Amino acid sequence: AQSVSQHNHHVILSEAASLELGCNYSYGGTVNLFWYVQYPGQHLQLLLKYFSGDPLVKGIKGFEAEFIKSKFSFNLRKPSVQWSDTAEYFCAVTTLSGGSYIPTFGRGTSLIVHP
Amino acid sequence: DAGVTQSPTHLIKTRGQQVTLRCSPKSGHDTVSWYQQALGQGPQFIFQYYEEEERQRGNFPDRFSGHQFPNYSSELNVNALLLGDSALYLCASSTGSDTQYFGPGTRLTVL
Repeated sequence: AQSVSQHNHHVILSEAASLELGCNYSYGGTVNLFWYVQYPGQHLQLLLKYFSGDPLVKGIKGFEAEFIKSKFSFNLRKPSVQWSDTAEYFCAVTTLSGGSYIPTFGRGTSLIVHP
Repeated sequence: DAGVTQSPTHLIKTRGQQVTLRCSPKSGHDTVSWYQQALGQGPQFIFQYYEEEERQRGNFPDRFSGHQFPNYSSELNVNALLLGDSALYLCASSTGSDTQYFGPGTRLTVL
């Protein structure tokens, strides 16, 4: 069974600092990769996704993630965070099983950005 | 275009009771998945419904059951509630692709 590890459970940054959130997965086959964000009081929203092609994926609000197959990683980055980026960030992996895609989520990283 | 909607928003039950949660998928979506998100954890997959049948199931006991209706809406039923069932229950809808769109969730508290 696949698993997803997010090593940073809590991250605190000042505005304009750079961000990198780690995500590693364990599955040897073909995977699709996602980052979701959950802003305070809001529902989970898709930030970006990788299915194939260019391993550097750009998402909304200036976020990007890089898929490194050899390291089983899909780290999320943003060059300069804003106070409004304060949220929970979840990495998820899907594999095709029984004709459907079921994502496995990491436990999430809580990001707090101080103004 | 309405996104995924869930009802109720909050629910308080006592141990041993039964609960039904409801979900309406995003317009055009035919697949509904349910997740349990405990405090401080990521969502855990419960099951997925497609064409009114359970297509995939996660590691949850039979106390958790569901249903999908012809209009693609779905229900999650939990019987014999335990304290540990307290969580945020998320519904997500999708089509043939595996990008899922999540609803706001139902917060279930079991006392």
